Amino acid sequence: DSGVTQTPKHLITATGQRVTLRCSPRSGDLSVYWYQQSLDQGLQFLIQYYNGEERAKGNILERFSAQQFPDLHSELNLSSLELGDSALYFCASSAELWGSEQFFGPGTRLTVL
Amino acid sequence: DAKTTQPNSMESNEEEPVHLPCNHSTISGTDYIHWYRQLPSQGPEYVIHGLTSNVNNRMASLAIAEDRKSSTLILHRATLRDAAVYYCILNNNAGNMLTFGGGTRLMVKP
Repeated sequence: DSGVTQTPKHLITATGQRVTLRCSPRSGDLSVYWYQQSLDQGLQFLIQYYNGEERAKGNILERFSAQQFPDLHSELNLSSLELGDSALYFCASSAELWGSEQFFGPGTRLTVL
Repeated sequence: DAKTTQPNSMESNEEEPVHLPCNHSTISGTDYIHWYRQLPSQGPEYVIHGLTSNVNNRMASLAIAEDRKSSTLILHRATLRDAAVYYCILNNNAGNMLTFGGGTRLMVKP
Protein backbone atom coordinates (compact mmCIF):
# COMPACT_ATOMS: atom_id res chain seq x y z
CA ASP A 1 0.00 0.00 0.00
CA SER A 2 1.62 3.25 -1.20
CA GLY A 3 -0.52 5.50 0.97
CA VAL A 4 -1.99 7.23 -2.09
CA THR A 5 -5.71 6.72 -2.56
CA GLN A 6 -7.76 7.20 -5.70
CA THR A 7 -11.49 7.15 -6.23
CA PRO A 8 -13.38 5.77 -7.94
CA LYS A 9 -11.66 2.53 -8.86
CA HIS A 10 -13.69 2.11 -12.02
CA LEU A 11 -15.75 4.55 -14.03
CA ILE A 12 -17.89 3.80 -17.06
CA THR A 13 -19.42 6.69 -18.93
CA ALA A 14 -20.53 7.78 -22.38
CA THR A 15 -18.91 9.97 -25.01
CA GLY A 16 -19.43 13.67 -24.45
CA GLN A 17 -19.76 13.32 -20.68
CA ARG A 18 -17.66 14.86 -17.93
CA VAL A 19 -16.05 13.01 -15.02
CA THR A 20 -13.95 13.87 -11.99
CA LEU A 21 -11.22 11.64 -10.61
CA ARG A 22 -10.04 12.17 -7.07
CA CYS A 23 -6.66 11.60 -5.45
CA SER A 24 -5.48 11.84 -1.85
CA PRO A 25 -1.70 11.96 -1.56
CA ARG A 26 0.40 10.31 1.13
CA SER A 27 0.28 12.14 4.41
CA GLY A 28 2.71 15.05 4.29
CA ASP A 29 3.38 14.93 0.55
CA LEU A 30 2.99 18.31 -1.09
CA SER A 31 3.44 17.30 -4.73
CA VAL A 32 0.78 15.49 -6.76
CA TYR A 33 1.13 14.15 -10.29
CA TRP A 34 -1.37 12.73 -12.75
CA TYR A 35 -0.45 10.12 -15.36
CA GLN A 36 -2.47 8.40 -18.06
CA GLN A 37 -1.79 4.82 -19.16
CA SER A 38 -3.35 3.57 -22.37
CA LEU A 39 -2.53 0.57 -24.52
CA ASP A 40 -1.28 2.61 -27.46
CA GLN A 41 0.47 5.48 -25.65
CA GLY A 42 1.89 3.78 -22.58
CA LEU A 43 2.34 5.76 -19.37
CA GLN A 44 2.27 9.51 -19.96
CA PHE A 45 2.71 12.39 -17.54
CA LEU A 46 -0.20 14.82 -17.56
CA ILE A 47 0.29 17.46 -14.89
CA GLN A 48 1.96 18.23 -11.55
CA TYR A 49 0.81 20.35 -8.62
CA TYR A 50 2.86 21.41 -5.65
CA ASN A 51 1.21 22.85 -2.57
CA GLY A 52 -1.78 24.02 -4.54
CA GLU A 53 0.04 25.48 -7.53
CA GLU A 54 0.46 24.01 -10.99
CA ARG A 55 4.16 23.31 -11.53
CA ALA A 56 4.52 21.27 -14.70
CA LYS A 57 2.39 20.26 -17.64
CA GLY A 58 2.85 17.31 -19.92
CA ASN A 59 0.66 15.84 -22.63
CA ILE A 60 -2.59 17.03 -21.10
CA LEU A 61 -5.45 17.79 -23.46
CA GLU A 62 -7.29 21.11 -23.23
CA ARG A 63 -10.43 19.15 -22.36
CA PHE A 64 -8.70 17.99 -19.19
CA SER A 65 -8.01 20.11 -16.14
CA ALA A 66 -6.82 19.54 -12.62
CA GLN A 67 -6.50 21.30 -9.32
CA GLN A 68 -5.02 20.73 -5.89
CA PHE A 69 -7.00 21.87 -2.89
CA PRO A 70 -5.78 23.37 0.41
CA ASP A 71 -6.01 19.97 2.07
CA LEU A 72 -3.65 18.76 -0.72
CA HIS A 73 -6.05 16.34 -2.35
CA SER A 74 -6.30 16.70 -6.09
CA GLU A 75 -8.97 16.25 -8.73
CA LEU A 76 -8.59 15.58 -12.44
CA ASN A 77 -11.54 16.72 -14.53
CA LEU A 78 -12.08 15.17 -17.94
CA SER A 79 -14.73 16.69 -20.18
CA SER A 80 -16.25 16.09 -23.63
CA LEU A 81 -15.04 12.55 -23.29
CA GLU A 82 -14.04 10.57 -26.36
CA LEU A 83 -13.56 6.85 -26.85
CA GLY A 84 -9.80 7.42 -26.91
CA ASP A 85 -9.85 8.77 -23.36
CA SER A 86 -10.47 5.27 -22.06
CA ALA A 87 -7.40 4.50 -19.98
CA LEU A 88 -5.99 3.98 -16.52
CA TYR A 89 -5.39 7.24 -14.71
CA PHE A 90 -2.78 7.19 -11.97
CA CYS A 91 -2.12 9.74 -9.31
CA ALA A 92 1.26 9.89 -7.61
CA SER A 93 2.64 11.99 -4.80
CA SER A 94 6.07 12.96 -3.53
CA ALA A 95 7.38 14.87 -0.58
CA GLU A 96 9.37 17.42 -2.54
CA LEU A 97 8.92 19.50 -5.65
CA TRP A 98 11.63 17.48 -7.35
CA GLY A 99 14.32 14.95 -6.65
CA SER A 100 12.22 12.57 -4.58
CA GLU A 101 10.61 9.25 -5.34
CA GLN A 102 7.01 9.16 -6.39
CA PHE A 103 4.39 6.97 -4.76
CA PHE A 104 1.62 5.84 -7.08
CA GLY A 105 -1.99 5.14 -6.29
CA PRO A 106 -3.89 2.09 -7.56
CA GLY A 107 -5.39 4.03 -10.46
CA THR A 108 -8.86 4.76 -11.80
CA ARG A 109 -9.92 2.76 -14.83
CA LEU A 110 -12.03 4.95 -17.11
CA THR A 111 -14.10 3.35 -19.84
CA VAL A 112 -15.82 5.62 -22.33
CA LEU A 113 -18.56 3.91 -24.36
CA ASP B 1 14.85 14.75 -23.29
CA ALA B 2 17.51 12.08 -22.96
CA LYS B 3 16.11 8.68 -23.92
CA THR B 4 16.61 5.21 -22.54
CA THR B 5 16.69 1.89 -24.38
CA GLN B 6 15.69 -1.35 -22.71
CA PRO B 7 15.03 -4.86 -24.00
CA ASN B 8 11.33 -5.53 -24.47
CA SER B 9 11.35 -8.66 -22.34
CA MET B 10 13.56 -10.92 -20.26
CA GLU B 11 13.12 -14.24 -18.57
CA SER B 12 14.58 -15.48 -15.34
CA ASN B 13 14.37 -18.52 -13.11
CA GLU B 14 13.12 -18.13 -9.58
CA GLU B 15 15.82 -17.57 -6.95
CA GLU B 16 18.43 -16.66 -9.56
CA PRO B 17 19.93 -13.18 -10.01
CA VAL B 18 18.53 -10.96 -12.76
CA HIS B 19 20.40 -8.20 -14.54
CA LEU B 20 18.18 -5.72 -16.34
CA PRO B 21 20.14 -3.45 -18.69
CA CYS B 22 19.40 0.11 -19.72
CA ASN B 23 21.24 2.24 -22.28
CA HIS B 24 21.16 6.00 -22.00
CA SER B 25 23.95 7.23 -24.26
CA THR B 26 22.67 10.85 -24.35
CA ILE B 27 22.49 11.21 -20.57
CA SER B 28 23.47 14.65 -19.27
CA GLY B 29 25.55 15.40 -16.21
CA THR B 30 22.53 16.35 -14.11
CA ASP B 31 20.36 13.34 -15.02
CA TYR B 32 19.58 10.89 -12.26
CA ILE B 33 18.84 7.30 -13.27
CA HIS B 34 15.58 6.06 -11.77
CA TRP B 35 14.04 2.61 -11.88
CA TYR B 36 10.37 1.95 -11.32
CA ARG B 37 8.43 -1.26 -11.80
CA GLN B 38 4.80 -1.97 -12.45
CA LEU B 39 3.33 -5.22 -11.20
CA PRO B 40 0.23 -6.53 -12.97
CA SER B 41 -2.88 -4.47 -12.24
CA GLN B 42 -1.00 -2.02 -10.01
CA GLY B 43 0.47 1.44 -10.23
CA PRO B 44 4.20 1.90 -10.77
CA GLU B 45 6.44 1.39 -7.77
CA TYR B 46 9.78 3.08 -7.06
CA VAL B 47 12.72 0.68 -7.02
CA ILE B 48 15.96 2.63 -6.84
CA HIS B 49 17.82 5.63 -8.24
CA GLY B 50 21.37 6.90 -8.54
CA LEU B 51 23.59 9.53 -10.13
CA THR B 52 27.14 8.20 -10.47
CA SER B 53 27.92 5.65 -7.80
CA ASN B 54 26.43 2.19 -7.48
CA VAL B 55 23.48 2.05 -5.10
CA ASN B 56 21.96 -0.69 -2.98
CA ASN B 57 18.66 -0.87 -1.16
CA ARG B 58 16.43 -3.60 0.19
CA MET B 59 14.84 -4.20 -3.18
CA ALA B 60 17.73 -4.12 -5.63
CA SER B 61 21.14 -2.82 -6.64
CA LEU B 62 21.91 -0.29 -9.33
CA ALA B 63 25.20 -0.54 -11.17
CA ILE B 64 26.10 2.56 -13.19
CA ALA B 65 28.78 2.47 -15.86
CA GLU B 66 31.73 4.76 -15.39
CA ASP B 67 30.76 6.88 -18.41
CA ARG B 68 27.10 6.79 -17.22
CA LYS B 69 25.89 5.77 -20.67
CA SER B 70 24.40 2.57 -19.34
CA SER B 71 23.16 1.08 -16.11
CA THR B 72 22.00 -2.28 -14.81
CA LEU B 73 19.31 -3.04 -12.28
CA ILE B 74 20.21 -6.15 -10.31
CA LEU B 75 17.65 -8.28 -8.50
CA HIS B 76 19.76 -10.59 -6.39
CA ARG B 77 17.26 -13.44 -6.11
CA ALA B 78 14.23 -13.20 -8.34
CA THR B 79 10.92 -14.29 -6.89
CA LEU B 80 7.62 -14.82 -8.67
CA ARG B 81 6.48 -11.54 -7.18
CA ASP B 82 9.20 -9.74 -9.13
CA ALA B 83 7.44 -10.43 -12.42
CA ALA B 84 6.65 -6.94 -13.65
CA VAL B 85 7.49 -4.30 -16.22
CA TYR B 86 10.68 -2.49 -15.22
CA TYR B 87 11.18 1.10 -16.37
CA CYS B 88 14.51 2.90 -16.54
CA ILE B 89 13.93 6.67 -16.46
CA LEU B 90 16.21 9.68 -16.57
CA ASN B 91 15.21 12.58 -14.36
CA ASN B 92 17.22 15.78 -14.29
CA ASN B 93 15.49 17.23 -11.24
CA ALA B 94 14.62 20.36 -13.21
CA GLY B 95 11.19 18.85 -12.95
CA ASN B 96 10.08 15.70 -11.24
CA MET B 97 7.80 14.36 -13.92
CA LEU B 98 8.66 10.84 -15.05
CA THR B 99 8.89 10.01 -18.75
CA PHE B 100 8.17 6.31 -19.10
CA GLY B 101 9.39 4.35 -22.10
CA GLY B 102 8.35 0.84 -23.02
CA GLY B 103 10.21 -0.84 -20.18
CA THR B 104 11.33 -4.46 -19.88
CA ARG B 105 8.76 -7.11 -19.09
CA LEU B 106 10.41 -9.54 -16.69
CA MET B 107 9.00 -13.04 -16.53
CA VAL B 108 10.05 -15.27 -13.66
CA LYS B 109 9.76 -19.04 -14.04
CA PRO B 110 9.31 -21.28 -11.02
